Amino acid sequence: GESVGLHLPTLSVQEGDNSIINCAYSNSASDYFIWYKQESGKGPQFIIDIRSNMDKRQGQRVTVLLNKTVKHLSLQIAATQPGDSAVYFCAENPTAAAGNKLTFGGGTRVLVKP
Amino acid sequence: DTEVTQTPKHLVMGMTNKKSLKCEQHMGHRAMYWYKQKAKKPPELMFVYSYEKLSINESVPSRFSPECPNSSLLNLHLHALQPEDSALYLCASSQGQGYEQFFGPGTRLTVL
Repeated sequence: GESVGLHLPTLSVQEGDNSIINCAYSNSASDYFIWYKQESGKGPQFIIDIRSNMDKRQGQRVTVLLNKTVKHLSLQIAATQPGDSAVYFCAENPTAAAGNKLTFGGGTRVLVKP
Repeated sequence: DTEVTQTPKHLVMGMTNKKSLKCEQHMGHRAMYWYKQKAKKPPELMFVYSYEKLSINESVPSRFSPECPNSSLLNLHLHALQPEDSALYLCASSQGQGYEQFFGPGTRLTVL
C-alpha cells in the first residue's frame, strides 16, 4: 500500500552542525507535506510545510526540500541546537482524495551532542 | 489563540470503566481529529470530523466513540477498553484539507 517512510531512525549531530532528515513517500497523489517535531511528553509541533508546486521552502533555521521525481522529502536544520533534540515526523496529505487524512512517516530521533 | 487543549492530561481506567477525553480549540477550525500514538511510533489517525460531521472512521473499534458537540469541542468516549488501548491520545484541528494540523498535548491513557 501507499506509505510514508524515513531512512534513518536515529540521527546524532554535534551542536552547531547542520542536520538533514530524510523521508521517502510512495503516494504520487500526495501534494501537501508537513514536518512535525515531537518532544518527549508533548504533542507534535508544526515546523514547516510545502506544497507540490514548490521544491524548496525556507523557515527560521529550517529548509524543506521536495523532489517529486524520486518522491523524496528532506528537512534541513541549520546550526543544530540542544533544543532541537526530538523526534521528527514527515507527513503527507493527498488533498484531492484523502478527506483531511494525514499519513505520518515512522519518525527520526535527533540527538544533539554538546 | 493558537492552542488545542486536551483534558485530562493523564487517565488510568479499568476495563469496565466509562470515561471521556475532551479536546477544545478556539481557532475557528472546522476540521478536528483524534489520533492514537503508541510509544516510539507515529500518530495513527482514528477519526476526522469536518464541519461537525464524522467524515473518516479508520475502522476503529466501537469501544471508542467520538462526539463533536460543536465546532470548538471534540470528545472521545471510552468504554470497555483493553490494556492494549493504553497509548497517548492526541487531538488536532485544522482549517481543512491541505492545511497544517495543530496538535494538543495529548492524554496519556493507561488501561489496567
